[in-house]
Formats: sequence, C-alpha cells, structure tokens
Amino acid sequence: EAQVTQNPRYLITVTGKKLTVTCSQNMNHEYMSWYRQDPGLGLRQIYYSMNVEVTDKGDVPEGYKVSRKEKRNFPLILESPSPNQTSLYFCASSSGTRAYNEQFFGPGTRLTVL
Amino acid sequence: LAKTTQPISMDSYEGQEVNITCSHNNIATNDYITWYQQFPSQGPRFIIQGYKTKVTNEVASLFIPADRKSSTLSLPRVSLSDTAVYYCLVLRPDGGATNKLIFGTGTLLAVQP
Repeated sequence: EAQVTQNPRYLITVTGKKLTVTCSQNMNHEYMSWYRQDPGLGLRQIYYSMNVEVTDKGDVPEGYKVSRKEKRNFPLILESPSPNQTSLYFCASSSGTRAYNEQFFGPGTRLTVL
Repeated sequence: LAKTTQPISMDSYEGQEVNITCSHNNIATNDYITWYQQFPSQGPRFIIQGYKTKVTNEVASLFIPADRKSSTLSLPRVSLSDTAVYYCLVLRPDGGATNKLIFGTGTLLAVQP
C-alpha cells in the first residue's frame, strides 16, 4: 500500500532531551516536507526537501533540523526541544520536485514537551 | 506567493450544496489554485486543482472566473462526513521563487443533520 508513515505517533518528552521523528514513504517521491499544526495558527511548513541531499527552510524552521540521505526517509530532529514545540506534526511527500504536485500526508505525530 | 483569503468558518446542512470562496487578488499568470481537505487529527488530503474556468472530479468542482482573482470550491449535497477544514493554496508548477506550501488556517465547514 502506498503510504507515508511516521513514528512515533505520540511522544511525551522533557525539555532539552534530543528526539527524532521519522518519516518514510514508499512511493519513490522526490518532494518531502514537515509541518506543524497548532490551534489558531493553521498548518505551517517547517522544512522541505526536493531530493536527496537537498533541503530548504519552510516558514518555521527555528529549533528543527532535517536530513535527506535517502529518497524514502526524511527525519525531523529536535536537538533541544522546548515546550513551544508541543504540537501536531505531519510529514508529506509528492512526486516531482515542486510543491505544486499533490501532497500525500502521514498520520501525524503528537508531541508534548514538558 | 499569492496571498489567499477565505472565510474562517461556514455552516451547512446535509444535502445542501456548499460553496467556499477563496480570494487571491495578486495571483500570477503561472499560478494554479489548489484545494485540500483536512479532517480532525488527520493530515490534509488533496481535493482538486485548476487554472481557469471549471474543473470537476468525483469529489468537488472548482470554479475560476476569467480574472482568476478568486475561486470557488463547490461541494454538492454535503453529508456529515464533509465536516472538515478546507484550504485554498496558490501554487506554481515550476515552484517559482519559492517551493514552499502555505496552508493558512483554512475554512472550517460544519455540516449539521
């Protein structure tokens, strides 16, 4: 089944403890991206990648890192999480290298930073 | 990227046709209009995309007037399961100066029995 998977789905952690949220897609998509969703602020793009080893900042990249060493994986790294990074996170992928193409979203990761 | 403006919320009843309008006054020649749907606690799902006039698929229709400064997503005969947030985005096939996606806060459609 074609899909985007994220792990973990739920995570409660403490301030400053490094964490990684994994994202994987099995559709051979070039474009991958991360979003956070907060009440009243909508869905905001954190980082995106047009292909392996090519990443760029979205609207809210501060406090996050990403890497794209393989086409199928696009992990989101929080080196030193803070409470303001408590949010619902989505990973997405699409064919082609442009945001214009249909995005396929993962199920989401709900992160709580205490 | 062209800025979009859409109503924060709309109410409807089952069986009615719902039209959600999006304003994008500074849309560029190469821009396309794209709509996504998001159910609570799920990722958005692509609904429809168009450049001009009318586009129809099994889920919705998209109406775009000649000046392209606005567009209307039309959902025929909505049901309770159409309750969701609907996002209007303006995107360029070549990515333009930026290859980002800006979703904004969308329109919350609430369908009642």
